[in-house]
Amino acid sequence: AQTVTQSQPEMSVQEAETVTLSCTYDTSESDYYLFWYKQPPSRQMILVIRQEAYKQQNATENRFSVNFQKAAKSFSLKISDSQLGDAAMYFCAYRSAVLGQFYFGTGTSLTVIP
Amino acid sequence: DAGVTQSPTHLIKTRGQQVTLRCSPISGHKSVSWYQQVLGQGPQFIFQYYEKEERGRGNFPDRFSARQFPNYSSELNVNALLLGDSALYLCASSLGGTGGWETQYFGPGTRLLVL
Repeated sequence: AQTVTQSQPEMSVQEAETVTLSCTYDTSESDYYLFWYKQPPSRQMILVIRQEAYKQQNATENRFSVNFQKAAKSFSLKISDSQLGDAAMYFCAYRSAVLGQFYFGTGTSLTVIP
Repeated sequence: DAGVTQSPTHLIKTRGQQVTLRCSPISGHKSVSWYQQVLGQGPQFIFQYYEKEERGRGNFPDRFSARQFPNYSSELNVNALLLGDSALYLCASSLGGTGGWETQYFGPGTRLLVL
């Protein structure tokens, strides 16, 4: 079974600085997709960024980018120019190319310090 | 367009009771998935439905069941509630039933407390 590990339960960053959230996963599949979701205190999960495993180029969405290392099974999220609104729980998720279900990590709580 | 909606927002039940949670997907979305999120943990997959058929089932006991209606809305039923069923139940909708790239859009969840 696929497992997703987020080893940082909590992280903090100064406003306008950069922070990196770590994620590793375990799978025997060669084709899959990786996602970062954000869950603010209001609870609604919001997609931040996604990456296809067969693409070597790292995905970027404005201030959010990933460092995808397929051989190391690592998928970290970098947030640049951190803003107060970035404060939330961040979940890393794995999804098979075949099956529809997500496997989520335990989350990293990000605090942004003004 | 309205996002994924779930009802009720909060629910308190006692052990042994049964509960039904409801989810309405985004208009045009035909797939609904259910997740259980225990406090301090990531969401755990329970079910996925597509076109009214079960497409996937997570590692949950038979006390958990679900169904999808012709309008693609869905219900999650939990029988014989246990204290450990206390959690946030999330519903997510997507266009189709395939895996991979397709984005799932999550609802705000139903907070269930079992006493």
